Amino acid sequence: QQPVQSPQAVILREGEDAVINCSSSKALYSVHWYRQKHGEAPVFLMILLKGGEQKGHEKISASFNEKKQQSSLYLTASQLSYSGTYFCGTASGGSNYKLTFGKGTLLTVNP
Amino acid sequence: DAGVIQSPRHEVTEMGQEVTLRCKPISGHNSLFWYRQTMMRGLELLIYFNNNVPIDDSGMPEDRFSAKMPNASFSTLKIQPSEPRDSAVYFCASSGDRGAQETQYFGPGTRLLVL
Repeated sequence: QQPVQSPQAVILREGEDAVINCSSSKALYSVHWYRQKHGEAPVFLMILLKGGEQKGHEKISASFNEKKQQSSLYLTASQLSYSGTYFCGTASGGSNYKLTFGKGTLLTVNP
Repeated sequence: DAGVIQSPRHEVTEMGQEVTLRCKPISGHNSLFWYRQTMMRGLELLIYFNNNVPIDDSGMPEDRFSAKMPNASFSTLKIQPSEPRDSAVYFCASSGDRGAQETQYFGPGTRLLVL
């Protein structure tokens, strides 16, 4: 089942912070975050694994609450280059390669 | 290093024609994924292969769609016959062999328009 992302869209001024949430109805093994700019492919940002391991981008942080089956992506001191659509992809098992993606959150950063 | 390579980048065809999309994964990656992206449905997994074997094709919409991976460096997604509702961006992605711990790297996509 598709994870639910919130908010659907957010507009920021440069330097402001944002939080994007991803919630699943299924038990999760990992959460993958991607950013996609218009007309381009999704680009990997971060993986969060069951057990707390986190791998990814230096300037973006995230959390993974396994019990609540939720993840949040924290964008601090936003830059114009952060604009794009953010997707979370969830995997329900360690040996399961399949990711199910949310519908995305459109982030716009204005000067 | 070269990333995932897809061809063609754009395809315009008429309803009823056969369409073949191609993908070359990152060298050394064991897993390959085909996704379709539309405004209405978002990013959907169509099929994925591990070590050239199709593992899950539950996302393939109907028999008009077929995918093959004859070797570790090449995969095709074929639509025959194509319909206007197949218009979408089709992405190929590849990853290593550690399941849900692996990052999936996406190719640039093929933008398909069926008239």
